[in-house]
Amino acid sequence: EADIYQTPRYLVIGTGKKITLECSQTMGHDKMYWYQQDPGMELHLIHYSYGVNSTEKGDLSSESTVSRIRTEHFPLTLESARPSHTSQYLCASSEYTNTGELFFGEGSRLTVL
Amino acid sequence: AQSVTQLDSHVSVSEGALVLLRCNYSSSVPPYLFWYVQYPNQGLQLLLKYTSAATLVKGINGFEAEFKKSETSFHLTKPSAHMSDAAEYFCVVSGAGTYKYIFGTGTRLKVLA
Repeated sequence: EADIYQTPRYLVIGTGKKITLECSQTMGHDKMYWYQQDPGMELHLIHYSYGVNSTEKGDLSSESTVSRIRTEHFPLTLESARPSHTSQYLCASSEYTNTGELFFGEGSRLTVL
Repeated sequence: AQSVTQLDSHVSVSEGALVLLRCNYSSSVPPYLFWYVQYPNQGLQLLLKYTSAATLVKGINGFEAEFKKSETSFHLTKPSAHMSDAAEYFCVVSGAGTYKYIFGTGTRLKVLA
């Protein structure tokens, strides 16, 4: 069982609100990732991190930002949520790049009204 | 560059029948290939992975996949479907020298009683 946790699991908020999606892992993995997944669709990488103080944008442009101050913690923030941000956000971590298994959290489903 | 194509968006089988989920990949470097399963409202879980060892890879829950370089395929099979296999399945490709995991569009497996 993967030791990676996301909160909240479900969030419904109004337009313009600031939100932070939390992601924590207890496996000591350096690599962490945020994916965005619309219903019935593939995953798109929006942010990744190779370690503390290292963050990069992924392939899908996103208005969200991330930080990596501690190895185990990789929060995602939206300063002003809009309906177009409605989606599922999946956090993952891995021990190795490319060859290692990605461990996923259960996801945070965001609905912006 | 790498890409992955899942040839069927939906597959329906009867309980006890063979499951075949098809995946073709393209990669300019030796690929690493993965199959993940996603149950409703959950994150993704690794079924199996190919990392250049044996071409026939056995995974969890009775699934296996065969890496065929000549056909650039990595199809997922299970001899006998169970109702609990109903889920979304993702084929994923990665490769040496890149941080990316490229996800297919997914195949939704339905198991009929």
